Amino acid sequence: GQNIDQPTEMTATEGAIVQINCTYQTSGFNGLFWYQQHAGEAPTFLSYNVLDGLEEKGRFSSFLSRSKGYSYLLLKELQMKDSASYLCAVMDSNYQLIWGAGTKLIIKP
Amino acid sequence: GAVVSQHPSRVICKSGTSVKIECRSLDFQATTMFWYRQFPKKSLMLMATSNEGSKATYEQGVEKDKFLINHASLTLSTLTVTSAHPEDSSFYICSARDQLAGDTGELFFGEGSRLTVL
Repeated sequence: GQNIDQPTEMTATEGAIVQINCTYQTSGFNGLFWYQQHAGEAPTFLSYNVLDGLEEKGRFSSFLSRSKGYSYLLLKELQMKDSASYLCAVMDSNYQLIWGAGTKLIIKP
Repeated sequence: GAVVSQHPSRVICKSGTSVKIECRSLDFQATTMFWYRQFPKKSLMLMATSNEGSKATYEQGVEKDKFLINHASLTLSTLTVTSAHPEDSSFYICSARDQLAGDTGELFFGEGSRLTVL
């Protein structure tokens, strides 16, 4: 079967760095997405990785290792507004998105 | 950037009535749109893939007659929850991809619609 695993919840301190991991097993691979979702709102796009390596975009970076079926989202200089759920999603060989359950990130002052 | 507009954002209805939710791509054309349902503290659950000009493709376990999907144009898809019951109360979200971006293009989400059935 196909599955995406990510931690249910993480806590970090304002100004610090946090890494959210995602491991996956899917039928084929056409890229991995990270989305941010605030409570009661729809997800917003953060990053897309299809090749191995690190993609940096401001305070957020995303890493992919296809051989290990592994990705992480790195958030630097955490701000209170970063408190949200972070969804990992993998596009399989049929170009269907398989979603993880999301990681709820709690930022403390 | 591309915008997907979803309406209404919140709707409360009585049990047994039908509710229509609209999903529009505002500045791009979308051959395909996706409808999701999200339960509290749960991930997105794909309900169906809406295809312009043809029948929607429903995921296993999703009742076609219960959740009617119409994709009449390249910018509009509608989801109608028929004979709604309290268990249909949920957060419904649509998404769309610019047809020019191909299958791996960014997926844009609507704002979501919170349905409460009394």
